[in-house]
Order: sequence, then structure tokens, then C-alpha cells
Amino acid sequence: EAGVTQFPSHSVIEKGQTVTLRCDPISGHDNLYWYRRVMGKEIKFLLHFVKESKQDESGMPNNRFLAERTGGTYSTLKVQPAELEDSGVYFCASSQNGARRQETQYFGPGTRLLVL
Amino acid sequence: AQSVTQLGSHVSVSEGALVLLRCNYSSSVPPYLFWYVQYPNQGLQLLLKYTSAATLVKGINGFEAEFKKSETSFHLTKPSAHMSDAAEYFCAVTGYSTLTFGKGTMLLVSP
Repeated sequence: EAGVTQFPSHSVIEKGQTVTLRCDPISGHDNLYWYRRVMGKEIKFLLHFVKESKQDESGMPNNRFLAERTGGTYSTLKVQPAELEDSGVYFCASSQNGARRQETQYFGPGTRLLVL
Repeated sequence: AQSVTQLGSHVSVSEGALVLLRCNYSSSVPPYLFWYVQYPNQGLQLLLKYTSAATLVKGINGFEAEFKKSETSFHLTKPSAHMSDAAEYFCAVTGYSTLTFGKGTMLLVSP
């Protein structure tokens, strides 16, 4: 069974440009999460999808970030325009039943974003 | 609200020595606790989790952790370190559906 995949693995862009990150969850997982780790800090929650609906987007830093999950399969996270402080590693995770708090979230390898 | 404190951003041990990585948590609801590991250039992999079934939890690769409610701790241990254990370890607590992570502890293993 394929795990969570993320694309690209690395992205280097200039301030003001747009970047789109993609996440493919484990097949059959309705719950999809985005997290971010800024260098030297902890991994922080960004948002949670249940199928195509945003269940919780309380961690999204500002309106330059737009997440979508059309059709309830893969998800994209767009940053427009990118700022220097957006640099970090963006992780995607998925789980089968997000209503169960003890449910394991399976993580992808992350996308390393560097904004110059 | 939930929070996690991992004591020590770096822990160094010799191969064969005991590994002890500390995690203290705060939670407004009964906690579920996780330890994840990240090897270089890989994603986070679940080591073990506490789901209230048993306070001593055994995980993969010989790791285990003990939930101590009175101390609000969930420390990770392994009796004998291997070189392959060198990685970054993250403790996390579940909120209502999301994970709150500690800052991570880098485990360095020397021959």
C-alpha cells in the first residue's frame, strides 16, 4: 500500500512568487492534514480536511495560504505571494477516521520550501 | 488547550547505552500521546502511541514509553542504542482531531 506522497520534495522560489504544494493521501483516508515546521520551531497544525470539506483551518497563518481538496482525494496548498517567513517544511498527513482522537496520522516526507 | 515540552533539543549517547528522551504534556482533555521519528530525508514515522489501554506502551525498533498521569510525562526509552537510531524524535498530544508537537529531540549515537 502506497503511503502519503508529496510533491515537490523541494522548492526554491523568490519572495512574491507563487508556489503550489501537492499531497496525495493514503487511498481510502477521508482525513487529510497539513502541518508546517519553520526552522528551529515545532511542527504546527495548519488545517484539516474531511473529504473535500475544511473541518478546521484555525492554524492557517493568513490569507496568502489557500488549501483545496477537490473531490476529496489529493490536496493542494498554495502560497501566494510567498514571503520569507513562509520558508520551512510542509508536511501532509492522512488518517482513516479523524473522529477518533487516538487515530494514527500517517505522514508524508514533506516539501522543503525556501523563499529567497 | 494542549502543549508538549521535550527536554533537550539534542541527546547524545554511545552505542549500547540507554536511550531516554523526555516528554511532558499538558492537555485540557484526557490525552492520547504519540512518539514519531524522522530519519534524514524521510517523513515522520509512528514509533508508538498511548491510547489509555495500558500505561506502558511498546513500539517498533525496541522503543517503549510509559504514561505517568501524576507527572504528566510520556518519556521514550530504549535499553540499548544502535547507530541506526540516530534521528529526530517528536512527542505529540492529540487535541480534538489535530496533533500538537514538541520541538523535537535529535538523538546522536556515537560508536
